[in-house]
Amino acid sequence: GENVEQHPSTLSVQEGDSAVIKCTYSDSASNYFPWYKQELGKGPQLIIDIRSNVGEKKDQRIAVTLNKTAKHFSLHITETQPEDSAVYFCAAIRSGSARQLTFGSGTQLTVLP
Amino acid sequence: EAGVVQSPRYKIIEKKQPVAFWCNPISGHNTLYWYLQNLGQGPELLIRYENEEAVDDSQLPKDRFSAERLKGVDSTLKIQPAELGDSAVYLCASSLGGLQGAHEQFFGPGTRLTVL
Repeated sequence: GENVEQHPSTLSVQEGDSAVIKCTYSDSASNYFPWYKQELGKGPQLIIDIRSNVGEKKDQRIAVTLNKTAKHFSLHITETQPEDSAVYFCAAIRSGSARQLTFGSGTQLTVLP
Repeated sequence: EAGVVQSPRYKIIEKKQPVAFWCNPISGHNTLYWYLQNLGQGPELLIRYENEEAVDDSQLPKDRFSAERLKGVDSTLKIQPAELGDSAVYLCASSLGGLQGAHEQFFGPGTRLTVL
């Protein structure tokens, strides 16, 4: 099955700096890669996703890049703000009948004011 | 539009007691998921429903866990009897299903279970 590794497990940045979280996946057939943000006491919330036919996607201050050859994808947050502090999860899924998301282990991002 | 609703939000029980969690998905979402999230880890799928049919329950410990989705809308997840190791957050998610939006899953707030 799919295996997703995520790092770093914790990340602290100064407000206004950029943050980068990286993930690797094992199943070359995976073709959809979402990123979720989870705040304390809440469920994961989808913030951005990318499909395997695209190399990069951007939405305001967040962007995701995908390298299919190397089987890794990254989340980039620019101009970080204190409200960006949360746990971020990457995930991967292979399209088809078995729509099972495999999640990374999460990154605790802390933005210091 | 209302999101995925789960109840209760918190539950504390003693080991060997039964417990049940309830989930109401987003209206019109045919696919429903139950996930287990241990502290400091990502969610892990327990079971997935397409309408009222459980199509992927390979990760569900069937000796003590059961789930149902009557009429293809609300769902309940039950544990009987609960063990200390079942302490975790139980998340429900839903998605549209089909080729359009098949992958975008929306999560509820979860039920935090503590087994004493």
